[in-house]
Amino acid sequence: QKEVEQNSGPLSVPEGAIASLNCTYSDRVSQSFFWYRQYSGKSPELIMSIYSNGDKEDGRFTAQLNKASQYVSLLIRDSQPSDSATYLCAVNEGNKLVFGAGTILRVKS
Amino acid sequence: EAGVTQSPTHLIKTRGPQATLRCSPISGHTSVYWYQQALGLGLQFLLWYDEGEERNRGNFPPRFSGRQFPNYSSELNVNALELEDSALYLCASSLGGQTNEKLFFGSGTQLSVL
Repeated sequence: QKEVEQNSGPLSVPEGAIASLNCTYSDRVSQSFFWYRQYSGKSPELIMSIYSNGDKEDGRFTAQLNKASQYVSLLIRDSQPSDSATYLCAVNEGNKLVFGAGTILRVKS
Repeated sequence: EAGVTQSPTHLIKTRGPQATLRCSPISGHTSVYWYQQALGLGLQFLLWYDEGEERNRGNFPPRFSGRQFPNYSSELNVNALELEDSALYLCASSLGGQTNEKLFFGSGTQLSVL
């Protein structure tokens, strides 16, 4: 079983819709969770971090964490074509940050 | 403020020799991380250095090694190059000490082994 799993996609949503990206992880003791965005040919950039169960909102982005079910999700409201990218889920597992393979998001105008 | 810088941008090598990749962290950051991103795969953790010490390494063979210098810059050495080592190598830095801190990535070194 992979440590951090994501659906590779691509996930296609129309402009203005809500994009929902999901991630599950295997290490029950993980305490820190991150979402990174990676545009094609570019390096990953941090967009959200979450440490406690529940929701955390930052502009159009909402991260959701459920430690009991071991999943973390990212909602993007009012999706824009500029949101088209690969979204990487990352989980702190001991002395390393483990990344999922990423979900490709395509926002169609 | 300068971000994480990596050099070279591209590196083409033949099988066998060593490749050396370099990374300069953001000023004030003491932790440096190395990741490998092969085509179609996620970021695979290679090494973590903090305050000049290796804190953790991923599931890679010993021919992947590195070090961190007193100025917190780092280099990654890949010995006995194999075709499968072709990938984007990303360096990231953070304030230091804890992996729950935000990582800032450089633009990467694209290593091609022919």
